[in-house]
Amino acid sequence: QVQLVESGGGLVKPGGSLRLSCAASGFTFSDYYMSWIRQAPGKGLEWVSYISSSGSTIYYADSVKGRFTISRDNAKNSLYLQMNSLRAEDTAVYYCARTEMATVDYWGQGTLVTVSS
Amino acid sequence: QSALTQPASVSGSPGQSITISCTGTSSDVGGYNYVSWYQQHPGKAPKLMIYDVSNRPSGVSNRFSGSKSGNTASLTISGLQAEDEADYYCSSYTSSTWGVFGTGTKVTVL
Repeated sequence: QVQLVESGGGLVKPGGSLRLSCAASGFTFSDYYMSWIRQAPGKGLEWVSYISSSGSTIYYADSVKGRFTISRDNAKNSLYLQMNSLRAEDTAVYYCARTEMATVDYWGQGTLVTVSS
Repeated sequence: QSALTQPASVSGSPGQSITISCTGTSSDVGGYNYVSWYQQHPGKAPKLMIYDVSNRPSGVSNRFSGSKSGNTASLTISGLQAEDEADYYCSSYTSSTWGVFGTGTKVTVL
């Protein structure tokens, strides 16, 4: 069955960096677009970034453009999100998501990122 | 790109039907048949309930149905059950930013 397992979340100071990883299994990873979606405490869902199956097409939300970098390693069935210059407003649960035409058919369990001094 | 507009809360008694609206523009909901709906219980990841406006994934109860008219999509839950109490989010493909979520609706079963 499809499994998406995030890791790498934690507590980081403002201005710091963190790298999230997502290990995918149960499907042909290289066939699918993948996304990172976040949810701040008590708030709604927000698309952060997506990457095409080959990695050639990438999107970033304006709120993270220039600070976050999405990447994938199809040989390792893994998705990544490098987060730099973190701000308090980046505090959220970050979900790894299998995506097609902005529809998420599978979600990871999420990893919490807390940005605080 | 602004979030799609949903009512903050909707409630109903067990067995009743409720409908959640999701209003966008011609650049998202009205322009594409890529509207999806997600159910999220507290502390859990969202779950896909409807995709491509009105299609149900395998395993989702047929009490959940979706539709669209113009720039507004709707999710109807019929035969409301206690387990349906959750937050619901719509999402749409958009020509400007690829994807946009709705503001979310809390469903309460009275």
